[in-house]
Amino acid sequence: DAGITQSPRHKVTETGTPVTLRCHQTENHRYMYWYRQDPGHGLRLIHYSYGVKDTDKGEVSDGYSVSRSKTEDFLLTLESATSSQTSVYFCAKKDRENTEAFFGQGTRLTVV
Amino acid sequence: AQSVSQHNHHVILSEAASLELGCNYSYGGTVNLFWYVQYPGQHLQLLLKYFSGDPLVKGIKGFEAEFIKSKFSFNLRKPSVQWSDTAEYFCAVNVNNAGNMLTFGGGTRLMVKP
Repeated sequence: DAGITQSPRHKVTETGTPVTLRCHQTENHRYMYWYRQDPGHGLRLIHYSYGVKDTDKGEVSDGYSVSRSKTEDFLLTLESATSSQTSVYFCAKKDRENTEAFFGQGTRLTVV
Repeated sequence: AQSVSQHNHHVILSEAASLELGCNYSYGGTVNLFWYVQYPGQHLQLLLKYFSGDPLVKGIKGFEAEFIKSKFSFNLRKPSVQWSDTAEYFCAVNVNNAGNMLTFGGGTRLMVKP
């Protein structure tokens, strides 16, 4: 356990419904990231955060929003889920510059 | 913005064969470089990292990587692979700017035949 957990681990939802994925860390790391993993695309960055209420877009941010109101929680919201958002979502955290990132176990989201 | 390219998408080797996976990045400034491994059904785990100093870095499980700044490359190597190395391997680049964005390559799926 690297001090980072994701919930839920699995979710099936219907097209058009809102979905929120939670990433929780226990070590007050400054940086947090949300990625999606799809076959043939590797990990693509959705959004990232460099502090409480400090977030920025990654390369595939359309259709997603994030919030970080506390250091330990980084929430990813799909405002209106679409089938193209079916994926495995990974959260990661990083303490400071010149350190590695640690990953959560992933959330498998299926939009039907 | 930085980008990372991994040239080999799928690699199949027999046990004891040597491995080299290519990774190139595009960013002209100071970067940190990583290789992560993902075993089937699991999350990503760090294999090795480069921040500064000796460009030849050694990681876990006998893996090593060489940073060649002039070629913007950070190739992963292992002299003799094992069946248990079957996994997907990701190269990543971290730029030490304000956001500390961490960008991954598309991954290389390695299958080692016993």
